[in-house]
This record gives sequence, C-alpha cells and structure tokens, in this order.
Amino acid sequence: KAGVTQTPRYLIKTRGQQVTLSCSPISGHRSVSWYQQTPGQGLQFLFEYFSETQRNKGNFPGRFSGRQFSNSRSEMNVSTLELGDSALYLCASRSQTGIAYGYTFGSGTRLTVV
Amino acid sequence: ELKVEQNPLFLSMQEGKNYTIYCNYSTTSDRLYWYRQDPGKSLESLFVLLSNGAVKQEGRLMASLDTKARLSTLHITAAVHDLSATYFCAVDGSGGGADGLTFGKGTHLIIQP
Repeated sequence: KAGVTQTPRYLIKTRGQQVTLSCSPISGHRSVSWYQQTPGQGLQFLFEYFSETQRNKGNFPGRFSGRQFSNSRSEMNVSTLELGDSALYLCASRSQTGIAYGYTFGSGTRLTVV
Repeated sequence: ELKVEQNPLFLSMQEGKNYTIYCNYSTTSDRLYWYRQDPGKSLESLFVLLSNGAVKQEGRLMASLDTKARLSTLHITAAVHDLSATYFCAVDGSGGGADGLTFGKGTHLIIQP
C-alpha cells in the first residue's frame, strides 16, 4: 500500500516568488492536512481538507492557501515568498473510518527561500 | 487555544537506562499521538491513544494517557542507541480532528553507548 507522496522533495525559490507543493494521500483517505516545521516554531498546523472542503486553517497569513481535488490529492500554495517561509512542509492523510490509525505523514517538501 | 508541553526538551542518557518523557496538554482531548522523527526525515507514527487509561507498548517504548490529568507519558525501557531521535506528542484540537494536530516542541533524545 503506497504511503503519502509529496512532491517535490526539495525546492529553492527566491523571495517574492510563489510556490506550489503537492500531496497525494494514501488511497482511500479523504482527509489531508498540512504542517510547517521550522527550528524556531516547531510543527504548526496550516490547514486541513476533507472531500475538497477546507475544514479549518491555522494561524498563517493569507499568502498560504490550499485546495483539494476530487481524487483527494491536495496542493498548497505560498505566494510572495519570504525568507521566513523556509521550512519543511509536511502533509498528512487520515482515514475517517480508521481513526485508530491516526495520521500518516509524507516525506515532506523542504523549501528554501533565498 | 490548545497548548502542548513536553519535557524534557533535551535528554542524553546511557544505553540500558530507563526514562520517561512527559506530555501535558491544556484542553480536553481524548486523542493523543506520539511520533518519532529522525534528522532530516518525516514523522513516523509510534502510538495512537484514544481513551483515558490507554496504554500501548511497542518494543522498548510504552505510552500511556490520562485524560483527567491531561497527561501522556512515553516510557523508554533499557534504552538502545537506535532509539536516538526526536519524539513529539500531538493532540487533536477537537474530537473530529478539524482543528488539526497541535504538537509539543519535541524531545531530542540522545542515547550514548
């Protein structure tokens, strides 16, 4: 059974640019959530999608956005990149019927903003 | 606002010793998760604790949950070097998980021979 797939694994962008990250959840999982991990702030919740609807959003500026497609794949977009956006971005999927299994995380996308 | 506090944040211990990592959280929740992260890697799920009094064990690791005390512990028995990693606890913001996971700052564990 394939895990959570995130692409790309690494990205280098320049300040002011925008970036799109992709996440394919485990087959059958309809819930996808995104997290940002930095040395200073730790792991922080960005947003969660379920059946193409954003259910909640963390405390991040509007430059951070996301969406989910009908096949449950999700993308997150960061516009007008800032140096502080450099981080490991993790995607997690979960089965709503298999809550006991918790969240499964992908390998992450490491974004560096220069 | 849900807050999750782990302690200690750094722990250096010798192989063969026992130790406990503590995770306190600030609001009512009956879903708590423990994850392991190796340097440069993603999060590996260790335990999912879903009810008060839950206790789970896997190898040298044992996790427990006391929802009344809002406390979870991760106990390491007879530590071995391979357990060196950063351990995170995380709590669901709500029963349905719609608020996402709130993580502790992590416990950086170094086990020395």
